[in-house]
Amino acid sequence: RKEVEQDPGPFNVPEGATVAFNCTYSNSASQSFFWYRQDCRKEPKLLMSVYSSGNEDGRFTAQLNRASQYISLLIRDSKLSDSATYLCVVNGRNTGNQFYFGTGTSLTVIP
Amino acid sequence: DTEVTQTPKHLVMGMTNKKSLKCEQHMGHRAMYWYKQKAKKPPELMFVYSYEKLSINESVPSRFSPECPNSSLLNLHLHALQPEDSALYLCASSQDMGTVLYNEQFFGPGTRLTVL
Repeated sequence: RKEVEQDPGPFNVPEGATVAFNCTYSNSASQSFFWYRQDCRKEPKLLMSVYSSGNEDGRFTAQLNRASQYISLLIRDSKLSDSATYLCVVNGRNTGNQFYFGTGTSLTVIP
Repeated sequence: DTEVTQTPKHLVMGMTNKKSLKCEQHMGHRAMYWYKQKAKKPPELMFVYSYEKLSINESVPSRFSPECPNSSLLNLHLHALQPEDSALYLCASSQDMGTVLYNEQFFGPGTRLTVL
C-alpha cells in the first residue's frame, strides 16, 4: 500500500468555484502534513503546513482528520492563477527527514 | 528568506561526460535533499543529508554521487549517465530539529538535465 494516496484528477473548474482535494496516508503515526503547489516546469512551493486539525490562509483551508488518516485542501473562489498541480506530502514517522509525496492533483481553472 | 538556489538551470551532457549539480541555502537548515522528478510524476527522493552526514540513500545507482561540503552546500556529481536519467533534479532543505514537527521543506528551482 502506498504511503500517500491522492486523486490525480484532472479537476477542471470554472472561475469562482470551490474545489476540494483529498489525500489519505497509510501510517497513523505520521505527524506533519503539507500541501505544495507546483506549476508546470517549476519547483514545488509550500502552500500550507498542517500540524493539528487544520489551517486556513485566505481562500485556502487545509483540514486533517487523524481518525480517518485523511487530509483535504479546499480552495474557495478559484482564480485562473490557481491552475497548477497540488501535491500532498506527509512527513515520515521515524525520522524528521523522510517525506512521502502523493502523485499530485492537477487543477485547471477555466474562465 | 526561504531561498534555495541551484546551478546550472539547464544541463545537456553525453553519456561519457562528468558534470556536477550545485545547491546552496542560507537559511541555517541542517537537512538537505536531492530529488529526481520526471514529467507528470511527483518528486522521487534520492539522498538526504542531515548535519552534513548522508542519512538516506534510496538505492540510487552509483553513477550519481552526492557530496555535502558544508551545511550550506550540496552537490550531486554525475558520471556515465543514461538517457533515462534525463529529468528535473530538485534540491530541498529543511530545518531538521530532530523532530517531525515544523520540518518544512523548501525547494530550489531545479536543474533540467538532458542526457544524450
